[in-house]
Amino acid sequence: NAGVTQTPKFQVLKTGQSMTLQCAQDMNHNSMYWYRQDPGMGLRLIYYSASEGTTDKGEVPNGYNVSRLNKREFSLRLESAAPSQTSVYFCASSEYGGKNTGELFFGEGSRLTVL
Amino acid sequence: AQSVTQLGSHVSVSEGALVLLRCNYSSSVPPYLFWYVQYPNQGLQLLLKYTSAATLVKGINGFEAEFKKSETSFHLTKPSAHMSDAAEYFCAVTRSGGYQKVTFGIGTKLQVIP
Repeated sequence: NAGVTQTPKFQVLKTGQSMTLQCAQDMNHNSMYWYRQDPGMGLRLIYYSASEGTTDKGEVPNGYNVSRLNKREFSLRLESAAPSQTSVYFCASSEYGGKNTGELFFGEGSRLTVL
Repeated sequence: AQSVTQLGSHVSVSEGALVLLRCNYSSSVPPYLFWYVQYPNQGLQLLLKYTSAATLVKGINGFEAEFKKSETSFHLTKPSAHMSDAAEYFCAVTRSGGYQKVTFGIGTKLQVIP
């Protein structure tokens, strides 16, 4: 059971380049998230998708766009990368309602460096 | 609104000593509370969760946490630290009833000294 799969695991970009981080989950979860993790700042929510067909901004959405391609896939795009976007990015998914408690399932992370 | 405060961004304990990682939360409605653990170069994984059943919750690897409503706390403990417990620990809060966002604390990095 793969859970949440992110690609790529590592990427180096030059300032101004664009790229897309891909995320897929095989748990049939409704909700998906993109977080960034920076030293001393914990996890900060970039964008989330509560259900297929909807996306919403989190705490730090500037410079990012997202697409909920289908129930399984949720991508994060950097249109014009900046050094401030150097970070580790995590995709996560969850389910809610009924016996579900909103527990998050995380991918292994994508380490992005912007030069 | 909801929030989480983790006291101490770095905690050091000797191998075999008690581990105590502190978490206080703020929530206007009954919360669901979580502890996640992150080992180096890995994603986060669930350690344990409180979802309004028993107030003392047991998790993986010998960890447990107690929900104290009067103190708005959910501290994580382990009686005897092991070298393999060295990791970063995150407390998180959400709410029941449909979709709710999860709010994380800034994390506590646990160092275990041999």
